[in-house]
Amino acid sequence: QQQVKQSPQSLIVQKGGISIINCAYENTAFDYFPWYQQFPGKGPALLIAIRPDVSEKKEGRFTISFNKSAKQFSLHIMDSQPGDSATYFCAASKTGANNLFFGTGTRLTVIP
Amino acid sequence: DTEVTQTPKHLVMGMTNKKSLKCEQHMGHRAMYWYKQKAKKPPELMFVYSYEKLSINESVPSRFSPECPNSSLLNLHLHALQPEDSALYLCASSRGEEDEAFFGQGTRLTVV
Repeated sequence: QQQVKQSPQSLIVQKGGISIINCAYENTAFDYFPWYQQFPGKGPALLIAIRPDVSEKKEGRFTISFNKSAKQFSLHIMDSQPGDSATYFCAASKTGANNLFFGTGTRLTVIP
Repeated sequence: DTEVTQTPKHLVMGMTNKKSLKCEQHMGHRAMYWYKQKAKKPPELMFVYSYEKLSINESVPSRFSPECPNSSLLNLHLHALQPEDSALYLCASSRGEEDEAFFGQGTRLTVV
């Protein structure tokens, strides 16, 4: 059973546009929600993470929105750039790094 | 030093070979992890070490044998692997199990 559901599977955005990736979870015990960016042949890099005590967290062009009642969270990439083209994974866990459950990934392509 | 370093970057091995993957971090992190990632799939947790002791083994076959010689090093010993074990093997570390996980670049393993 997929603990974290992620959509869309792939996304094409024009340069300068907003990229939005959504995730949903069922386990109400989850309290740590990171997003990872992965380039081909490389390891995932932590982008930004949120805990349920806040509804939004922003770091540069990246924003996480969190809706505890709906059990959903999303990543917004503002002013998307071709260098943002990568696969993005959401994840969730009951604590932190231990036993992360990853979403299935979203392949983002930003076209010039 | 904010890196998790994995060696080798690429490895091709036969089904009768014995090989080892190595992971090193010098961030003072006390939790280290092995993940397996198949192409176009999310990472899957294999093992968790906390304070140099194995705390989670996600029902991984015995042909994979982890070892944590000290708090900075994590090895994964491989023996009698199958072609379906071919994947990107990722090491990660975190300050503690409740903190953020940082991934290495991975070892691309091909079993022939």
